[in-house]
Amino acid sequence: KAGVTQTPRYLIKTRGQQVTLSCSPISGHRSVSWYQQTPGQGLQFLFEYFSETQRNKGNFPGRFSGRQFSNSRSEMNVSTLELGDSALYLCASSLRWGAEDTQYFGPGTRLTVL
Amino acid sequence: GENVEQHPSTLSVQEGDSAVIKCTYSDSASNYFPWYKQELGKGSQLIIDIRSNVGEKKDQRIAVTLNKTAKHFSLHITETQPEDSAVYFCAASRPGNMLTFGGGTRLMVKP
Repeated sequence: KAGVTQTPRYLIKTRGQQVTLSCSPISGHRSVSWYQQTPGQGLQFLFEYFSETQRNKGNFPGRFSGRQFSNSRSEMNVSTLELGDSALYLCASSLRWGAEDTQYFGPGTRLTVL
Repeated sequence: GENVEQHPSTLSVQEGDSAVIKCTYSDSASNYFPWYKQELGKGSQLIIDIRSNVGEKKDQRIAVTLNKTAKHFSLHITETQPEDSAVYFCAASRPGNMLTFGGGTRLMVKP
């Protein structure tokens, strides 16, 4: 079974631009969660989608948004990029929502904001 | 909300020795505690997890112990090998909520 895939793997943007990241979950998984990883803050939860609905949301500004499609693929969008948005963005998929199911992580998208 | 602290932040051991990483959590309602191994270019891989109705779980060279009263859990790796070198993250969650991660431990196994 193919794992979680994320595209693109690397991205360079400038301040003020917006970016869209994509995540394809493991086949059959309906929940997709997004995390931001930085050296200073570690791994922080952004949001979780299940059946095209946002189920949980972390403590991030409204510039961070996401959505999920009927095939469970998910995208996250960051608008008006700031230097501090430079990070590794990870998505994870699981069968059900909430953290009680094992989450499988993708390799991440490394975003650099200049 | 939940707060997870992880220690040490770096750990260096000789090949064959044991490694122990400890985490404490704050939310007494948390009931799921996974451990992830993160390697460059490979993403994060679940290596073991434990739920609150169990005190210890073992999988070959890896074991996790949970003390709900003290709100701490630990990862034990025996007979370490160079390929165990990676960053390890602990996490905790309560039902229906998402994972809160510890700050990570960089484990270096010297051959």
